[in-house]
Amino acid sequence: EVKLVESGGGLVQPGRSLKLSCAASGFSFNDYWMGWVRQAPGKGLEWIGEINQDSSTINYTPSLKDKFTISRDNAQNTLYLQMSKLGSEDTAIYYCARGRSLAYWGQGTLVTVSS
Amino acid sequence: DIQMTQSPASLSASLEEIVTITCQASQDIGNWLSWYQQKPGKSPQLLIYGATSLADGVPSRFSGSRSGTQYSLKISRLQVEDIGIYYCLQAYSAPPTFGGGTKLELK
Repeated sequence: EVKLVESGGGLVQPGRSLKLSCAASGFSFNDYWMGWVRQAPGKGLEWIGEINQDSSTINYTPSLKDKFTISRDNAQNTLYLQMSKLGSEDTAIYYCARGRSLAYWGQGTLVTVSS
Repeated sequence: DIQMTQSPASLSASLEEIVTITCQASQDIGNWLSWYQQKPGKSPQLLIYGATSLADGVPSRFSGSRSGTQYSLKISRLQVEDIGIYYCLQAYSAPPTFGGGTKLELK
C-alpha cells in the first residue's frame, strides 16, 4: 500500500523558517518524481514544486522559488520542503504527492504562520 | 502560466443524476489534464489522468473527455460518496496549474 506521511507542520512566527518531511512507504521511492502542493484554509490547491528521482531536476512555481527548497533522501525514502521567510500567506495544509500526475497524496500537515 | 478556468464553481445535483464539470485551458495542453476529487476534510485523490484515463480503483461512473482545449469530467450516476470538491490540473507547461475547483453538493 502506498503511504505518504507528512510531518513538521505547526505554528511558526512570521519571518521564520520551517522544514517539512514526507515519509514514503509501500513503493520504490527512488523510481518516482515527488511533489508538494498546498491549500490555504477554505481555498483551492496550489502546486509548489517537484523533484525528480535523482534530484537533478527540481521545478518550482515561480512565486515560491526564492522561499522554498525541495529535496529528497532516497536512502531514507523521505521528501523534504524547506520553507523560509514565512508570511501569513503561507498558512496552509501542505501535501506531498507521488509522481508528476500526483497519483497519491499524503494526509497533509498544517502550517500556521502567526505571531 | 496556463490558466485553467473551471466551471461551475458550485453545483447541486440529485442522486443518480448525470453531472458534468468542465475546465477550459487558456492554450493547448494536449492530454496533459488530470482530475482530482477532494472529500470534506480529506486529501485530494486522483480520478482521471491523461484527460481520459481512469485511475486505479476509481468507479467507472467517472469519465473524462476532451474537445480542443475544453476538458470535461462526467459522473454518470451521482452517488452520495461523490460529494466533495473537484479540481482539474494541467501538467503540460510549467508550472502546473489547478482549476479553481467545483463544489458538488446533493440537492
